[in-house]
Amino acid sequence: DAGVIQSPRHEVTEMGQEVTLRCKPISGHDYLFWYRQTMMRGLELLIYFNNNVPIDDSGMPEDRFSAKMPNASFSTLKIQPSEPRDSAVYFCASSETQGWGEQFFGPGTRLTVL
Amino acid sequence: DQQVKQNSPSLSVQEGRISILNCDYTNSMFDYFLWYKKYPAEGPTFLISISSIKDKNEDGRFTVFLNKSAKHLSLHIVPSQPGDSAVYFCATRYSGGGADGLTFGKGTHLIIQP
Repeated sequence: DAGVIQSPRHEVTEMGQEVTLRCKPISGHDYLFWYRQTMMRGLELLIYFNNNVPIDDSGMPEDRFSAKMPNASFSTLKIQPSEPRDSAVYFCASSETQGWGEQFFGPGTRLTVL
Repeated sequence: DQQVKQNSPSLSVQEGRISILNCDYTNSMFDYFLWYKKYPAEGPTFLISISSIKDKNEDGRFTVFLNKSAKHLSLHIVPSQPGDSAVYFCATRYSGGGADGLTFGKGTHLIIQP
């Protein structure tokens, strides 16, 4: 398996623009997680899905952030409108068991909002 | 308020010596603990874990120790090798409340010097 795939790897956009980050989890994994890494806050969980259903979105910072998982092999994280403070590295991870299992991370998307 | 703290942002160790990375947590409900390793421009990768029913888990050169009364865990790497140079994240979770996402510390940058 190719592992968790994220695209794009780098995104530079201007404040106010819509940004969409994409993730393909490992086939057969039931759980998908979105994390954000910043210098100030480190790695923090934004939202996670189980069998394509959002379970906990309490980490989503604002209504400008939304995430979907239309099928088992694809998820998006959207920011609309984007702001400079959204600049961070966004990671997608997947796991096959209920959290006890190891989470496999993608390479991340480095987002810069000017 | 940080629930997982890694108080050393960086640590320098000579090749062949022991590296000890520390992590403190505040929530006594946490019952599973993991260490992840991260190279630049890559996502974190799972290294080793321990459940709260144990106080030690060993895997090759890596050993994790858990002191529940002190809410403290540590990762020992012996002997340290140049390839161990990376950022190490401590992560925790608890099985109650349906929360499957991980809570991470901010990481410790380990530098192995030749």
